[in-house]
Amino acid sequence: ETAVFQTPNYHVTQVGNEVSFNCKQTLGHDTMYWYKQDSKKLLKIMFSYNNKQLIVNETVPRRFSPQSSDKAHLNLRIKSVEPEDSAVYLCASSWRVGGNTLYFGEGSRLIVV
Amino acid sequence: AQKVTQTQTSISVVEKTTVTMDCVYETRDSSYFLFWYKQTASGEIVFLIRQDSYKKENATVGHYSLNFQKPKSSIGLIITATQIEDSAVYFCAMREGRENYNVLYFGSGTKLTVEP
Repeated sequence: ETAVFQTPNYHVTQVGNEVSFNCKQTLGHDTMYWYKQDSKKLLKIMFSYNNKQLIVNETVPRRFSPQSSDKAHLNLRIKSVEPEDSAVYLCASSWRVGGNTLYFGEGSRLIVV
Repeated sequence: AQKVTQTQTSISVVEKTTVTMDCVYETRDSSYFLFWYKQTASGEIVFLIRQDSYKKENATVGHYSLNFQKPKSSIGLIITATQIEDSAVYFCAMREGRENYNVLYFGSGTKLTVEP
């Protein structure tokens, strides 16, 4: 049963536009993540965030930024999208410690035209 | 360097048989955690099973089990009595033991097709 909710599920936009994806988890976890899954199904971490620490994958372009209002929400903003940003963006949550089993949302597919 | 490697891109089996999917990992940490996830056709990624590096006993959950060979840095997933609905992409993942670096590294996935 889904406990990590993402909106929108699908978004088409033009190069240069700003896009935001929202994520909410109801598991009470203290850490949330954004992963990018490309067309080859490769999953790569973009951000890891809890209320104390943001860890950014150094390969993530600056136009991407996480935004969090509380530990249950972590949004992803893309300031000016590029064609290579077309992908599925997956939100996940977990406890920070204790082995860290991640629970994923259903993903938000972005298509940049 | 790739931390988690899955060399099998796709596997096809007949239902009710047993399948093994391979995964090797690379880490310098003495403590780490290994996971298998399944991504269905709808895109949903579901946690299946995990192995903590300090545990010698292979993990088992339902018809999933692991073949953990620590000296070989290998964590294979075994699915017994496969069903059509097991058809999916299976990802191996690793989290290193450093407490403040709570990120999973994923392999490239193995697509499993279970045929009648």
